[in-house]
Amino acid sequence: EVQLVQSGAEVKKPGESLWISCKGSGYTFTSYWIGWVRQMPGKGLEWMGIIYPGDSDTRYSTPFQGQVTISADKSTSTAYLQWSSLKASDTATYYCARRNGRKGGWYFDLWGRGTLVTVSS
Amino acid sequence: QSVLTQPPSASGTPGQRVTISCSGSSSNIGTNAVNWYQQLPGTAPQPLMYTDNQRPSGVPDRFSGSKSGTSASLAISGLQSEDEADYYCATWDDSLNGWVFGGGTKLTVL
Repeated sequence: EVQLVQSGAEVKKPGESLWISCKGSGYTFTSYWIGWVRQMPGKGLEWMGIIYPGDSDTRYSTPFQGQVTISADKSTSTAYLQWSSLKASDTATYYCARRNGRKGGWYFDLWGRGTLVTVSS
Repeated sequence: QSVLTQPPSASGTPGQRVTISCSGSSSNIGTNAVNWYQQLPGTAPQPLMYTDNQRPSGVPDRFSGSKSGTSASLAISGLQSEDEADYYCATWDDSLNGWVFGGGTKLTVL
């Protein structure tokens, strides 16, 4: 089955570090870009960045540049989203999604179920 | 403030036709294809429309998409109770060099 499986919910304190993961299966993981999307409680979708697992080429949305790190491990078909020092405002559900299509017509065709990150003292 | 503008809410009765608009600019909708995502309550977004008007496999033909200039629309005909969800438009923005989403439209089936 073609799917993206995300890691489970996390509860953290401000200042702590965190990695969440997104494991692809059922397709050639290294051939598709993987994007990360944030959804704060009761709010809309925000694109954070995207990585090409084949060579780890990574692009960030300006608001998230320097705030998070996106990485990938080809050997385990897993993409990661990392924080070095969490803030309460990082509380949100984070989705990974596979980019498909062609130039001018890209779209996210496969989504993970989301990882809820709660940051509270 | 989202780069793409959608109405925050829409509603209709079962069987009706509802349209959701998405307004952008020359650097996004005016240049690149528009996608639509449906997010049912408590679930992840799912692709509903890509390349302006193409339906992924499994999406009923009650859903249709269109684009003109810097605006796009999603139409849902024969509205059903299971269509009650949040709908988001999205596209690439050449100026921001990134993906942009609309603020989302909450569709209520009365």
